[in-house]
Amino acid sequence: TQTVSQSDAHVTVFEGDSVELRCNYSYGGSIYLSWYIQHHGHGLQFLLKYYSGNPVVQGVNGFEAEFSKSDSSFHLRKASVHWSDSAVYFCAVSLNYNQGKLIFGQGTKLSIKP
Amino acid sequence: EAAVTQSPRNKVAVTGGKVTLSCNQTNNHNNMYWYRQDTGHGLRLIHYSYGAGSTEKGDIPDGYKASRPSQENFSLILELATPSQTSVYFCASGDGTGGDTQYFGPGTRLLVL
Repeated sequence: TQTVSQSDAHVTVFEGDSVELRCNYSYGGSIYLSWYIQHHGHGLQFLLKYYSGNPVVQGVNGFEAEFSKSDSSFHLRKASVHWSDSAVYFCAVSLNYNQGKLIFGQGTKLSIKP
Repeated sequence: EAAVTQSPRNKVAVTGGKVTLSCNQTNNHNNMYWYRQDTGHGLRLIHYSYGAGSTEKGDIPDGYKASRPSQENFSLILELATPSQTSVYFCASGDGTGGDTQYFGPGTRLLVL
């Protein structure tokens, strides 16, 4: 079974802390990995994606993610979180370059304490 | 400004009634998608389209139809709505590159009584 797994349903950190949100997948072959953010009451917004080259990709608002083929992972990181980063984060996998049926993980809710 | 819009934003329907959810995109993307989001299930793909006139079944198509009459518009149709279809529905357009970056609308909250 092909899956995308986000092991943490909820992560809480203090403002200014670093954070890592984990994503693991179980697919063979070429895949395309991405992260999306969903603020409460809104649609999802694209953060970043990886499909080749440098395994560390930079996204908007200081987010970055690192692809690891050996670990089947694509973890999202931010060095210093802001209260506005409070949201649900979704990891997603696509198996095709240009016709992407995205398969989403269950999401990780990030809460930021003041 | 390019965007994905959905209408209505909120809808209350009766069991057995017909519901049409509309989506419009000004991104000029070929790919469009309908998802539903439920607590405990994340986002699940209902139908998708790779261009005007085409529709494909996603992972949970039962009880839903889709229509793509033009590049810009993609509708989701519930012919006989049931309470199990109470959910939040998201439309997205995809740019067709690198696994297809998708741009989501604001969602439609549907309650079927």
